[in-house]
Amino acid sequence: EVQLVESGGGLVQPGGSLRLSCAASGFTVSSNYMSWVRQAPGKGLEWVSLIYSGGSTYYADSVKGRFTISRDNSKNTLYLQMNSLRTEDTSVYYCARETYYDGSGYPYSDYWGQGTLVTVSS
Amino acid sequence: QSALTQPRSVSGSPGQSVTISCTGTSSDVGGYNYVSWYQQHPGKAPKLMIYDVSKRPSGVPDRFSGSKSGNTASLTISGLQAEDEADYYCCSYVGSYTSRVFGGGTKLTVL
Repeated sequence: EVQLVESGGGLVQPGGSLRLSCAASGFTVSSNYMSWVRQAPGKGLEWVSLIYSGGSTYYADSVKGRFTISRDNSKNTLYLQMNSLRTEDTSVYYCARETYYDGSGYPYSDYWGQGTLVTVSS
Repeated sequence: QSALTQPRSVSGSPGQSVTISCTGTSSDVGGYNYVSWYQQHPGKAPKLMIYDVSKRPSGVPDRFSGSKSGNTASLTISGLQAEDEADYYCCSYVGSYTSRVFGGGTKLTVL
């Protein structure tokens, strides 16, 4: 059974750092595309970052240069290192597995974790 | 990249059909057939309902259907049921570097 469990969220001051983890089971993180999506309280979804199975990484303009997506193959875990945090980064952060369905030329988020809340406030 | 435009809310009675629109530009919705729809119940993670504009993942009822015309994609839910009450988000591929953009979300109320 595919499962994703995020951790590492919490309260941090503006300018601070936090590292989120997403422990996967039931599949191999390094063999899949993986992504982070966030949702500010009462707001919509916002794509944050994507890592390809080959290691290429992509970021939303709002986090580029501040956030880094990575993975530890030995731990089958995805990470999001967040630096220079701003109040507007306050959100629930979800990790998701990306899947290429048959006949599709693009991956979609088919499994999601339960999310971890990051609050940036002084 | 601006968020795709969705109505803030829609409603319908059990058994009826509702359609949720998602308007973008030729750089996203209109430029690619990589539009998806996600359902999100309060306090829960999103669930993929439609991909590639109109395809359903295994396990999604055929009451859910998707389509696209020009820069606007649509999600239609027929035979509304109480459990369909949720927030719905569209999402589109926008090119390799930005990857994807979501709509602002639509709250579906089943009356």
